[in-house]
Amino acid sequence: NAGVTQTPKFQVLKTGQSMTLQCAQDMNHEYMSWYRQDPGMGLRLIHYSVGAGITDQGEVPNGYNVSRSTTEDFPLRLLSAAPSQTSVYFCASSRAPGEQYFGPGTRLTVT
Amino acid sequence: GDSVTQMEGPVTLSEEAFLTINCTYTATGYPSLFWYVQYPGEGLQLLLKATKADDKGSNKGFEATYRKETTSFHLEKGSVQVSDSAVYFCALSRSGGGADGLTFGKGTHLIIQP
Repeated sequence: NAGVTQTPKFQVLKTGQSMTLQCAQDMNHEYMSWYRQDPGMGLRLIHYSVGAGITDQGEVPNGYNVSRSTTEDFPLRLLSAAPSQTSVYFCASSRAPGEQYFGPGTRLTVT
Repeated sequence: GDSVTQMEGPVTLSEEAFLTINCTYTATGYPSLFWYVQYPGEGLQLLLKATKADDKGSNKGFEATYRKETTSFHLEKGSVQVSDSAVYFCALSRSGGGADGLTFGKGTHLIIQP
């Protein structure tokens, strides 16, 4: 099992550019989530999904879109990158609410 | 809304010292409680969990007891090692089948000196 994988590991964007952060899991987990981690802020929930075709907003959803067309994949799209979106992004999955397995993270810098 | 408060770091200890990292929470209902650990450059790993009052979670010598009366879930270890140096996050998940992710504390950076 690869667990939760994320690509890319690092990314630099210019303000206004768009991109997609990829997340995949091979554990057949129903629940998947995206978090951002900022210094002194802990992790904050961006979007989550309880199954294919179902997504919902978390604490900080503005500027991000998600979709869940398969159980395995949960991409996060930045529509028009802003410097405030500079962060480390973590994807997580779980079989049950709460006990989540995290990917290694994507470090994004927006200039 | 839900919130988790944990002691600010960094916390610096000598090897073999006793560790306590305080965590208190505010939540409606009966949340599940978790401690996650993040080693440098890595994602978070579940360290231990407790799903109901008075439950004790334990793993790798770490323990935490779910205290509903004090809304706390303090992390303890009797004798820390250099390899325990990491950032520790306390988190909660709402009960009742809620799937809306975890609410995290801000993290406590633990540094163990030889």
